[in-house]
Amino acid sequence: QKEVEQNSGPLSVPEGAIASLNCTYSDRGSQSFFWYRQYSGKSPELIMFIYSNGDKEDGRFTAQLNKASQYVSLLIRDSQPSDSATYLCAVTHTGGFKTIFGAGTRLFVKA
Amino acid sequence: DVKVTQSSRYLVKRTGEKVFLECVQDMDHENMFWYRQDPGLGLRLIYFSYDVKMKEKGDIPEGYSVSREKKERFSLILESASTNQTSMYLCASSAKGSGDTQYFGPGTRLTVL
Repeated sequence: QKEVEQNSGPLSVPEGAIASLNCTYSDRGSQSFFWYRQYSGKSPELIMFIYSNGDKEDGRFTAQLNKASQYVSLLIRDSQPSDSATYLCAVTHTGGFKTIFGAGTRLFVKA
Repeated sequence: DVKVTQSSRYLVKRTGEKVFLECVQDMDHENMFWYRQDPGLGLRLIYFSYDVKMKEKGDIPEGYSVSREKKERFSLILESASTNQTSMYLCASSAKGSGDTQYFGPGTRLTVL
């Protein structure tokens, strides 16, 4: 079983819709959770991080964390074609420096 | 503005060659990382360093070594390049402490013939 799992997609949504990206992780003691966006041919860049159970909102983006279910998600409201990218979920393990990345979900937003 | 730079964007080497990939960050970050990224496999950690002259193996260290003589510079060395090391190599840095945001360089696409 992979330590951080994401649906590879592609996930296709129409412009203006809500895109929902999901991620599960195996280490119950994980403490920090990140969403990175990676455009084709570019390096990953941070969108959001979340440490506590619940929701965290930043503009059109909402990260949701449920530690009991070992589940973290990213919602993108009012999706735009410029949101088309691969979204990487990342989890930092307890007491360490290592961050484990999921393989990413490709998102296409159709104009 | 945070900046992580890598010595080359594209590199072509021959099997058996020794390859050096360099990474420099200007954010005074303690932690530095080397990943490789392959389709369907995501980012896999090769080595990381949490201080000058300190290094720790990641998930796939075989065939690689690293050097960190100065805080701002972290080098990845392929002792004898092989075709299965053809990949995108990404360097990242983060501030001290676990759980901090990583800032990535632009990547080096290495092809080993």
